[in-house]
Amino acid sequence: ETGVTQSPTHLIKTRGQQVTLRCSSQSGHNTVSWYQQALGQGPQFIFQYYREEENGRGNFPPRFSGLQFPNYSSELNVNALELDDSALYLCASSLAGGNTEAFFGQGTRLTVV
Amino acid sequence: DQQVKQNSPSLSVQEGRISILNCDYTNSMFDYFLWYKKYPAEGPTFLISISSIKDKNEDGRFTVFLNKSAKHLSLHIVPSQPGDSAVYFCAASAESGNTGKLIFGQGTTLQVKP
Repeated sequence: ETGVTQSPTHLIKTRGQQVTLRCSSQSGHNTVSWYQQALGQGPQFIFQYYREEENGRGNFPPRFSGLQFPNYSSELNVNALELDDSALYLCASSLAGGNTEAFFGQGTRLTVV
Repeated sequence: DQQVKQNSPSLSVQEGRISILNCDYTNSMFDYFLWYKKYPAEGPTFLISISSIKDKNEDGRFTVFLNKSAKHLSLHIVPSQPGDSAVYFCAASAESGNTGKLIFGQGTTLQVKP
């Protein structure tokens, strides 16, 4: 069991709405990465935060944004939700430069109707 | 453009036998590879990793082999146990030391029959 916790676990939103997902990182980890996992696919990298700054971004539009706080926890915000945004959103925490594995949370299942 | 590919969506093996899961990649900049296991309603759990400077890494029942010239890696599980039944993801990083920025394959569902 990892120390990475995500909230909420499930969420239903209407197309066009905005959503905020939260992640608390593992103790001692300073980097948080967010992934989107569509049904039947592998997780896709959205972006990473290190020292409260975005440190790399995958192929996702600007309506996907994030924050990292001084305690290393993080938020993922998605504006103008689309039906295709329905997915499992995973947060992973890791230690920069440690070459140790990233630990994942259990994910937030977002359904857009 | 799938940089990491797991071409077998599913694999079924008998308990006690060997499970071999395969993964191919296209990006020669990848320098660190990982395998994750995922049960339903849980996040991926790290299994084993390998650096591009090695060709084999072993941890208990799990061994990962890397063939850089073929851009291929495989995960061997010996002996397979029913509790190993899960979805297995191969993942790669092009930034040595940054294991949070990963490219994942599509996953292979392993079923181990008693």
